[in-house]
Amino acid sequence: NAGVTQTPKFQVLKTGQSMTLQCAQDMNHEYMSWYRQDPGMGLRLIHYSVGAGITDQGEVPNGYNVSRSTTEDFPLRLLSAAPSQTSVYFCASSYSSEGGTQYFGPGTRLLVL
Amino acid sequence: AQSVTQPDIHITVSEGASLELRCNYSYGATPYLFWYVQSPGQGLQLLLKYFSGDTLVQGIKGFEAEFKRSQSSFNLRKPSVHWSDAAEYFCAVGARRLSNFGNEKLTFGTGTRLTIIP
Repeated sequence: NAGVTQTPKFQVLKTGQSMTLQCAQDMNHEYMSWYRQDPGMGLRLIHYSVGAGITDQGEVPNGYNVSRSTTEDFPLRLLSAAPSQTSVYFCASSYSSEGGTQYFGPGTRLLVL
Repeated sequence: AQSVTQPDIHITVSEGASLELRCNYSYGATPYLFWYVQSPGQGLQLLLKYFSGDTLVQGIKGFEAEFKRSQSSFNLRKPSVHWSDAAEYFCAVGARRLSNFGNEKLTFGTGTRLTIIP
């Protein structure tokens, strides 16, 4: 199993550009989520999904969109990038059973100029 | 809403010395508790987790943590650190939910960076 994969590893955007961060998992996990990691702030939940077609907002959803058309994929869309979205983004997945362990991808480092 | 506090931003210990990383949580009931480790440039890896039962939990790489309800703490310990333990450590709390879905929402602490000196 490849586990949780994320692409790209690194991206530079200009303010106002849009892009999609890709996340895929091959463990048949129902639950997937996106976090952003900023210095001194830990990881903050952006959006999450409990299954195909079901998504919900996390702690910091503004400026981001998600959709879940398949169990495997959970892309994160930046609609109009802003410098405040410069961060490292992590995707995670887990079984939806009680207390499932979350498995994290390697991260995408995003720089918005 | 739950919250997690890791009061130590940076800790330096000598190789072979013992280690304790502090974690305090706020939650209205018994939470799910986790410790994750992040090596530079890497994603997060689960070290250990507490769901119920024995309050002393054993994890990978020789780590253990103890859940103390009276102190709302879940401190991580290791009796003898190795240079490879240098990393950032995150404590996280997950809410117990009434539905069939479990800890989808994890709340993370701000992390503790561990430096090992020879």
